[in-house]
Amino acid sequence: ETGVTQSPTHLIKTRGQQVTLRCSSQSGHNTVSWYQQALGQGPQFIFQYYREEENGRGNFPPRFSGLQFPNYSSELNVNALELDDSALYLCASSFSGGEGYTFGSGTRLTVV
Amino acid sequence: QQQVKQSPQSLIVQKGGISIINCAYENTAFDYFPWYQQFPGKGPALLIAIRPDVSEKKEGRFTISFNKSAKQFSLHIMDSQPGDSATYFCAGGPAETSGSRLTFGEGTQLTVNP
Repeated sequence: ETGVTQSPTHLIKTRGQQVTLRCSSQSGHNTVSWYQQALGQGPQFIFQYYREEENGRGNFPPRFSGLQFPNYSSELNVNALELDDSALYLCASSFSGGEGYTFGSGTRLTVV
Repeated sequence: QQQVKQSPQSLIVQKGGISIINCAYENTAFDYFPWYQQFPGKGPALLIAIRPDVSEKKEGRFTISFNKSAKQFSLHIMDSQPGDSATYFCAGGPAETSGSRLTFGEGTQLTVNP
């Protein structure tokens, strides 16, 4: 039990659709990062939220967006899904200034 | 693009042997270098991390060796066990973000035979 819970665990969407993935962090974890992990590759940083504001973004287009809520939960939204968006999406959270982010088990998204 | 290059892609070691995984980074702004362990169906879990002010850090059977001038670092797993069989990722990032915004390597699939 890592204390970071992601839902759903698996999801199948059609190209062009929109998807929302959810993450519930440990109480007090005010910083959350989202990563995309394609099959057989390392995770790639999408963006980070700190105190409900985006606080850094990787090389991902604007159709990837997020929200962070006061109850330490967060969302990743992806619009206009493409086949290449098929991947494991991971969220990781920590206390601000803490070291060693805790990852959830991820949501496996398949776009067909 | 700032990359972290990891090798080998896969590694098979006998129980009790030493597993060695190597990484090289490009971005000199990186000053936090963690190693993550990932089992199938799970998210990565932090194993051990180092900052460039030290050349080596040991925690139990796991040791990171760091060479700042060569921009390389490696993970050594001593007395490897079948339970260590997993995918290992090195990463680099700015320390001021405390381990977020990491750039990961491609991963090494380690198999420890009994």
